[in-house]
Amino acid sequence: QKEVEQNSGPLSVPEGAIASLNCTYSDRGSQSFFWYRQYSGKSPELIMFIYSNGDKEDGRFTAQLNKASQYVSLLIRDSQPSDSATYLCAVNQNQGGKLIFGQGTELSVKP
Amino acid sequence: DGGITQSPKYLFRKEGQNVTLSCEQNLNHDAMYWYRQDPGQGLRLIYYSQIVNDFQKGDIAEGYSVSREKKESFPLTVTSAQKNPTAFYLCASSIRANYGYTFGSGTRLTVV
Repeated sequence: QKEVEQNSGPLSVPEGAIASLNCTYSDRGSQSFFWYRQYSGKSPELIMFIYSNGDKEDGRFTAQLNKASQYVSLLIRDSQPSDSATYLCAVNQNQGGKLIFGQGTELSVKP
Repeated sequence: DGGITQSPKYLFRKEGQNVTLSCEQNLNHDAMYWYRQDPGQGLRLIYYSQIVNDFQKGDIAEGYSVSREKKESFPLTVTSAQKNPTAFYLCASSIRANYGYTFGSGTRLTVV
């Protein structure tokens, strides 16, 4: 079992729809959860982080965390073609002092 | 402005050569990291450092070496022992371990 798992996609949604990206993790001691967006050929940029169970909203983005079920998700409302990118989920390693990244989910928003 | 700078943006290496990738940050971050990304793949950790003069191997350290003599700098050397070095190399830093990372813009290394 991989430590952080994401569906690789591609996930295709029409413009204006809600895109839902999911991530599961194996380390029950993890406390910090991050979502990065990576455009093709560019470096990842941090778009959301969440530490507590529940929802955290920032503009069109909502991060959801459920520690009991060990999953974290990212919702993108009113998806735009400019949201087309790969989204990386990252989880802190409780005893390791570093983040563990999933493989990323490729999102394509069609006009 | 604070940030993390990688250079060069593109680098070409001949077979059997060692090359060094630069990573400098002025964010006053304690921790620094090197990742490799192959086309269509996720990030694989090469080395990381949580404090000056100390660093740990990541998942794919073979064929690579690092140093951390200054807080601001974490250079990566790709040695001739790395048999398949063509990849996109990303340096990152964080204020301390387990916090969110800030990434540099990356170095694209190609073997010619």
